[in-house]
Amino acid sequence: SQQGEEDPQALSIQEGENATMNCSYKTSINNLQWYRQNSGRGLVHLILIRSNEREKHSGRLRVTLDTSKKSSSLLITASRAADTASYFCATDATDDYKLSFGAGTTVTVRA
Amino acid sequence: ETGVTQSPTHLIKTRGQQVTLRCSSQSGHNTVSWYQQALGQGPQFIFQYYREEENGRGNFPPRFSGLQFPNYSSELNVNALELDDSALYLCASSLGTGLSYEQYFGPGTRLTVT
Repeated sequence: SQQGEEDPQALSIQEGENATMNCSYKTSINNLQWYRQNSGRGLVHLILIRSNEREKHSGRLRVTLDTSKKSSSLLITASRAADTASYFCATDATDDYKLSFGAGTTVTVRA
Repeated sequence: ETGVTQSPTHLIKTRGQQVTLRCSSQSGHNTVSWYQQALGQGPQFIFQYYREEENGRGNFPPRFSGLQFPNYSSELNVNALELDDSALYLCASSLGTGLSYEQYFGPGTRLTVT
């Protein structure tokens, strides 16, 4: 079973708009990571946020973490066609040793 | 692009056969993890290797086995292939076993079982 669940499953936006996707998880975690995957290829690490952090930025990416609600959000600002991809959150639970991925959000950026 | 390579890129096998997939880790990385990603799903952790020893295993049967070599490259072996084994197999290398380490993924091997 997958620990994280992304919402929405799919998102279509115009170039220049912002894209927001959410991740909910079930158990206490040490860290939460976001990855991007283009066209069924390998995943690329975007950002890691620790359980004691609330917000983190990296370029056009902004990640928030609310451990009381067991949820995280990924915001991509000023989207570009190259941002078209699937985005996955991955968590490592405090009582587990493996990284658990959600099913992902597929983002399509229209030119 | 990461420095992680996988071979082959694509593979077609028949049910009941055996398959070996290969992964070369990023330079300096001593830990390799393997994942199975079914179509439309997120990656599922198969197992991890650290210094040539299995260091954790997900919910996969024993017919999924692996090896890590002294140069930290790795193999995933699957025996008695089933149709449900059709998936993208990803390996990821990292600097250590802790999950706070960034995972560097290879491009994957697409396995089709007919």
